Amino acid sequence: RKEVEQDPGPFNVPEGATVAFNCTYSNSASQSFFWYRQDCRKEPKLLMSVYSSGNEDGRFTAQLNRASQYISLLIRDSKLSDSATYLCVVSLSTGANNLFFGTGTRLTVIP
Amino acid sequence: ETGVTQSPTHLIKTRGQQVTLRCSSQSGHNTVSWYQQALGQGPQFIFQYYREEENGRGNFPPRFSGLQFPNYSSELNVNALELDDSALYLCASSLIHSGANVLTFGAGSRLTVL
Repeated sequence: RKEVEQDPGPFNVPEGATVAFNCTYSNSASQSFFWYRQDCRKEPKLLMSVYSSGNEDGRFTAQLNRASQYISLLIRDSKLSDSATYLCVVSLSTGANNLFFGTGTRLTVIP
Repeated sequence: ETGVTQSPTHLIKTRGQQVTLRCSSQSGHNTVSWYQQALGQGPQFIFQYYREEENGRGNFPPRFSGLQFPNYSSELNVNALELDDSALYLCASSLIHSGANVLTFGAGSRLTVL
């Protein structure tokens, strides 16, 4: 069983739409949770950390449900520039050692 | 402040050959991690180096090895290349014991094995 499972998509949404991505993780001992963004043929870049209480950064909202081992990302008012692959990332530690990445969910925002 | 730089950006090898990939960490970082990203997959952790020693390893065979140098730069070596080794190899630097929110990735080295 994979450490992190994501729906690979693709998700094709019109500009201005709200879109939600989900992922599940298998190890209940996981301590740190993140969403990364990866543009085509580029390196992953941290989008946001995910905290137990949920957190928001502008149009982006992340939620963590430890009981269900489930992480979500909500993007409101989608922009063309949001088109990318969104990677769900989990770590067993609070440090930067051994991150487990999901396969990513591909989002295309259509004009 | 310079970011993470990797070389070469692209290379082609044949089965059975050996390859060395290089990474210069971001200024102020002391830890380097290597990840393998196959097409359509998420990055997979290979290993991490701190103080010139391996500090954690993922599920990769011994033919994947690495080095870290006193200036914190690093090399990834892969021996006896196989077709499945074709992938984007990502280097990421960080400060030891820091949160992953200070993990900075390089642009990667794209390896094709024929």
